[in-house]
Amino acid sequence: GAGVSQSPSNKVTEKGKDVELRCDPISGHTALYWYRQSLGQGLEFLIYFQGNSAPDKSGLPSDRFSAERTGGSVSTLTIQRTQQEDSAVYLCASSLGRRGEKLFFGSGTQLSVL
Amino acid sequence: DQQVKQNSPSLSVQEGRISILNCDYTNSMFDYFLWYKKYPAEGPTFLISISSIKDKNEDGRFTVFLNKSAKHLSLHIVPSQPGDSAVYFCAASVSGSNYKLTFGKGTLLTVNP
Repeated sequence: GAGVSQSPSNKVTEKGKDVELRCDPISGHTALYWYRQSLGQGLEFLIYFQGNSAPDKSGLPSDRFSAERTGGSVSTLTIQRTQQEDSAVYLCASSLGRRGEKLFFGSGTQLSVL
Repeated sequence: DQQVKQNSPSLSVQEGRISILNCDYTNSMFDYFLWYKKYPAEGPTFLISISSIKDKNEDGRFTVFLNKSAKHLSLHIVPSQPGDSAVYFCAASVSGSNYKLTFGKGTLLTVNP
């Protein structure tokens, strides 16, 4: 596609439910990133994929968070047993994977946990 | 502990004037700095970057200045246009971990016609 696509754009869920957020990166981009932005905060790094591997998962807040990437393309971020503090905008980005290059971000998924 | 700080949550400027957005960092390992712009309901878009081997980088109306000794960078927009109204994020990374950007909280710039 022309840009990074994320779905859904909005998700409202009840505390304790599981959610899946999807990211379709730009075609040909080998690197994929997940960030999140909580209200009034900057973007917070969650996880980085190079191909299907995740060399750095250090930003995942707890073991309730997991992510996978298949076929070197689509990625899914899963949050189990959601909590209210998980409410945030979850942003996906992709790049060609070269050092120092810019990231292309999607529009994000606004997650609200009630 | 915030490693990248944007101390001004908002800035208002008249069209045609200069906008100066500031950013301070605490981690001396940071050696690559970027500015991203974000419109409501859209993802951030890359604006301009600078490596620590430089102290200035210019791209059209946008110039980024880096003062390593002060651990400070700034983004200058001249002349400012109403379409520049957005949230501007400063970000930094460390060599070898360029994928992991540390962002500031952002500054909302409003350019008034």
